[in-house]
Amino acid sequence: KAGVTQTPRYLIKTRGQQVTLSCSPISGHRSVSWYQQTPGQGLQFLFEYFSETQRNKGNFPGRFSGRQFSNSRSEMNVSTLELGDSALYLCASSLGTTLSGANVLTFGAGSRLTVL
Amino acid sequence: SQQGEEDPQALSIQEGENATMNCSYKTSINNLQWYRQNSGRGLVHLILIRSNEREKHSGRLRVTLDTSKKSSSLLITASRAADTASYFCASGLTDSWGKLQFGAGTQVVVTP
Repeated sequence: KAGVTQTPRYLIKTRGQQVTLSCSPISGHRSVSWYQQTPGQGLQFLFEYFSETQRNKGNFPGRFSGRQFSNSRSEMNVSTLELGDSALYLCASSLGTTLSGANVLTFGAGSRLTVL
Repeated sequence: SQQGEEDPQALSIQEGENATMNCSYKTSINNLQWYRQNSGRGLVHLILIRSNEREKHSGRLRVTLDTSKKSSSLLITASRAADTASYFCASGLTDSWGKLQFGAGTQVVVTP
């Protein structure tokens, strides 16, 4: 089956602009999580959506937002971009239920954002 | 902030040698997972060990978990050049679906 697909793979923006990243999860996966990866802070959890509802949220400012659609596809948006938002943004999907008893994540290849 | 620390930060070995890396975490966990990342790409799940397990094997991988010390180790036996990657431990918290707390990672280089 197809993996987790993230678009775009690379993008360059300038300070003050906004950006929208897209994630298509594995078919049947209802949970989508977003992570930010930077050399300085490592992998940090942004938020998780399940059945179109935000279920968990990390410690990021309100400029970072997301949503999930009825087909489980998810988008995240960053407004008023800052230089420090330059990072690899990773999306991951999972079943998101207790059936498997564990939250094993399948990651996409990431969207690399550069803010100039 | 990072949930855990990994040790060492970097490891350089030759093909055929074993690679061992350690991870410590801070809070109570439901499970502990290990992921691999090749050169800035997405992470790939390697193995999961539940909080009531002490050791688990998968192919050339062996994971141990010591909940009393809040630590885990990953052993890769008979390393290959293709094992060159960054390895991350991730704490799975109870009822925190999709939210894993990752360690800083260990960068492993396997030289042919």
